[in-house]
Amino acid sequence: DTGVSQNPRHKITKRGQNVTFRCDPISEHNRLYWYRQTLGQGPEFLTYFQNEAQLEKSRLLSDRFSAERPKGSFSTLEIQRTEQGDSAMYLCASSSWTSGGANTGELFFGEGSRLTVL
Amino acid sequence: GIQVEQSPPDLILQEGANSTLRCNFSDSVNNLQWFHQNPWGQLINLFYIPSGTKQNGRLSATTVATERYSLLYISSSQTTDSGVYFCAASTGGGNKLTFGTGTQLKVEL
Repeated sequence: DTGVSQNPRHKITKRGQNVTFRCDPISEHNRLYWYRQTLGQGPEFLTYFQNEAQLEKSRLLSDRFSAERPKGSFSTLEIQRTEQGDSAMYLCASSSWTSGGANTGELFFGEGSRLTVL
Repeated sequence: GIQVEQSPPDLILQEGANSTLRCNFSDSVNNLQWFHQNPWGQLINLFYIPSGTKQNGRLSATTVATERYSLLYISSSQTTDSGVYFCAASTGGGNKLTFGTGTQLKVEL
């Protein structure tokens, strides 16, 4: 069983360009989460999916950010018109969750995608 | 939302020493996890521990849910234990974790 996989690991872009990150969760995990981490801080929640449904978005997720999980498997996070303030590590996590508490809901994180906006 | 506070923010140890990291949270939790962030940025799961005590080798953790704190114990520390340790907790639906600001641990020879 492979872990959570994220691509690309590093992305350097110029201000104003669009970038897309991909996350492949642990197979059969039905929940997928995106977080953002800036230097010296803990990760901050952005959004999460249960299967293909996006159930919650943080206020941190401006209109320039969009996330999808079209078939309930992998997910993409797109940032349009990047700004220097978007420079951060973008982390993806997945968990297995069933009603009735059969699973713990423990989150497992990928290695992250580091974005640098010049 | 839930608030998560960690202490101390920084810690320097000599190899072989023991340490205790603390995590306070502001609400009842349905998930609490401890992570070690490696130098490349990946969060490594240490414990899933919304309540009770667990041990894994030189590491152990205790969460006292009624008093809203969790402790991570590191015994006989090694240089490879260096890095940032995060506590994260969630309350309510979604199981989305709120992270503390971390404890930066440095273990010296």
